[in-house]
Amino acid sequence: GESVGLHLPTLSVQEGDNSIINCDYSNSASDYFIWYKQESGKGPQFIIDIRSNMDKRQGQRVTVLLNKTVKHLSLQIAATQPGDSAVYFCAENKGGGNKLTFGTGTQLKVEL
Amino acid sequence: DTAVSQTPKYLVTQMGNDKSIKCEQNLGHDTMYWYKQDSKKFLKIMFSYNNKELIINETVPNRFSPKSPDKAHLNLHINSLELGDSAVYFCASSQGPQETQYFGPGTRLLVL
Repeated sequence: GESVGLHLPTLSVQEGDNSIINCDYSNSASDYFIWYKQESGKGPQFIIDIRSNMDKRQGQRVTVLLNKTVKHLSLQIAATQPGDSAVYFCAENKGGGNKLTFGTGTQLKVEL
Repeated sequence: DTAVSQTPKYLVTQMGNDKSIKCEQNLGHDTMYWYKQDSKKFLKIMFSYNNKELIINETVPNRFSPKSPDKAHLNLHINSLELGDSAVYFCASSQGPQETQYFGPGTRLLVL
């Protein structure tokens, strides 16, 4: 069966440091990956996505890396700020369909 | 100007009751979804509609019935509510398959 898993349930970083959130996926047919941020009491918010024909994509302060060989995805947040504190989910989609499979989530805590 | 809105935000009800959650999107998207998020924050898709047509129906009890009166609305009706239905239900929409999904703020359902 397919699954998307995260290495750590909680990640604590100091304000200003870089954060790296990791995610493994098991379905080699997945070809579209997304990172979402969910703040307390709110719905998931799109951060960045990447398709399987790329291995890196950059946004504002965020970078997603995709390693298809080992089926691993990471989200890097530069200069982490208190407002980055949230639960981060990776999600995968395969074959052009509508179905997103979400990982279990990583709680990012930014310490002042 | 909320993109994806849900009502109600909170819903507390007794076991055995029937309830509905409403979702509307003003993004002009063709595809809408319902997700369930459990107490461990695990997000799982329940249904997906494309142009008012059901295209994803995950293993969800028959007590759950989605209805899409038009492309901008996807409602969720739940019959004979059970304790295990307590969760946060999120509506989402996207322009099409493998497009970014935008989530609503969630409906927190508590069944007593």
